[in-house]
Amino acid sequence: GNSVTQMEGPVTLSEEAFLTINCTYTATGYPSLFWYVQYPGEGLQLLLKATKADDKGSNKGFEATYRKETTSFHLEKGSVQVSDSAVYFCALFPFSGGSNYKLTFGKGTLLTVNP
Amino acid sequence: DSGVTQTPKHLITATGQRVTLRCSPRSGDLSVYWYQQSLDQGLQFLIQYYNGEERAKGNILERFSAQQFPDLHSELNLSSLELGDSALYFCASSPKGGYGYTFGSGTRLTVV
Repeated sequence: GNSVTQMEGPVTLSEEAFLTINCTYTATGYPSLFWYVQYPGEGLQLLLKATKADDKGSNKGFEATYRKETTSFHLEKGSVQVSDSAVYFCALFPFSGGSNYKLTFGKGTLLTVNP
Repeated sequence: DSGVTQTPKHLITATGQRVTLRCSPRSGDLSVYWYQQSLDQGLQFLIQYYNGEERAKGNILERFSAQQFPDLHSELNLSSLELGDSALYFCASSPKGGYGYTFGSGTRLTVV
């Protein structure tokens, strides 16, 4: 079946530090890949996405590149801010769809950015 | 506002009780998904409905059930509640074809 593995947290950084959160996946075919963010007390919001190999998703300074050869979709940001403190989820949407349209999530990584 | 509305936002109830969580999907979306988020299990897919019909089932307990009504809103019924059912329950919706989830802000259930 499909699965997503992301790095264990929590991750604690100082403001303006470089961020990497690793994500690898297992799936058949060519899934779409996503990063979602959950701020304290809120639901999940789509941060960025990529639908095919070598696509780069980007939003709010965050980037992730769909690497089929390494089955990875690592999240990066060059300079984090306190406001980026949240839980980040990597997710996979199966290519085939069919009757199984559900997103498969990783366990989430808690990021705390200190001033 | 994401367009997906979940009520109530918070719910506190006793063990053995039954509760109903409600979700109104974003306008035009035909699919509704329910997820459970707990500290130890992360985000677990429970069930999906598409235009009133059950489409996929995940790790949903037999004590839990759901349905989607003709107006496309959905309800998740949790019965014989146990302490371990305490969690955040999220609803998400997507258009026909399943691509492009939008999540609600969740219902926090506390079983005491």
